[in-house]
Amino acid sequence: DAKTTQPNSMESNEEEPVHLPCNHSTISGTDYIHWYRQLPSQGPEYVIHGLTSNVNNRMASLAIAEDRKSSTLILHRATLRDAAVYYCILRDRGSGNTGKLIFGQGTTLQVKP
Amino acid sequence: GAGVSQSPRYKVAKRGQDVALRCDPISGHVSLFWYQQALGQGPEFLTYFQNEAQLDKSGLPSDRFFAERPEGSVSTLKIQRTQQEDSAVYLCASSFSGARVRINEQFFGPGTRLTVL
Repeated sequence: DAKTTQPNSMESNEEEPVHLPCNHSTISGTDYIHWYRQLPSQGPEYVIHGLTSNVNNRMASLAIAEDRKSSTLILHRATLRDAAVYYCILRDRGSGNTGKLIFGQGTTLQVKP
Repeated sequence: GAGVSQSPRYKVAKRGQDVALRCDPISGHVSLFWYQQALGQGPEFLTYFQNEAQLDKSGLPSDRFFAERPEGSVSTLKIQRTQQEDSAVYLCASSFSGARVRINEQFFGPGTRLTVL
């Protein structure tokens, strides 16, 4: 499975935008880019996913580089409740994959009031 | 609506005891996953069910770990003769479709924290 690289930690101020980077230089053409986050003492939750085009939903935006070797999760206005570990995960839509998520270490986001 | 639920939320076992962890997925979800999360680490895949069929158990760390989903809904993860290294949070996740399981969103439960003394 293709791997992702994320910074271990980032800090943000409340109500400011946050850009969480992810490198995936070995991404294949059948890989979707997914983001999950895990709040303290909770299970992970889905944030967003994309293939080639930038994506927006109510939680965040996902900006995907043209060569797809990197992506950025954008939280437009961070709140204290956004403090979590953010995981960037590649999911292969090919038939050889049962759909399991392969988590790395993720980025621990701290939000300061 | 109800999400994925897991019970118990906390379990303390003495080394050598058997434990059973329960997962109630979202109703109608075809796919069910178990993950193990050690302290300070990301979750690691254990096993996957599509309905009652266990299609992938490549992540189970030893033959002491056993999972079942006999009627395609509730699942149980059983650990026999627990060891200290089994201490972790065990997460269950479900997903609606089997056909699109490779990209569909997974919904996670809160986990069961297992401590083996």
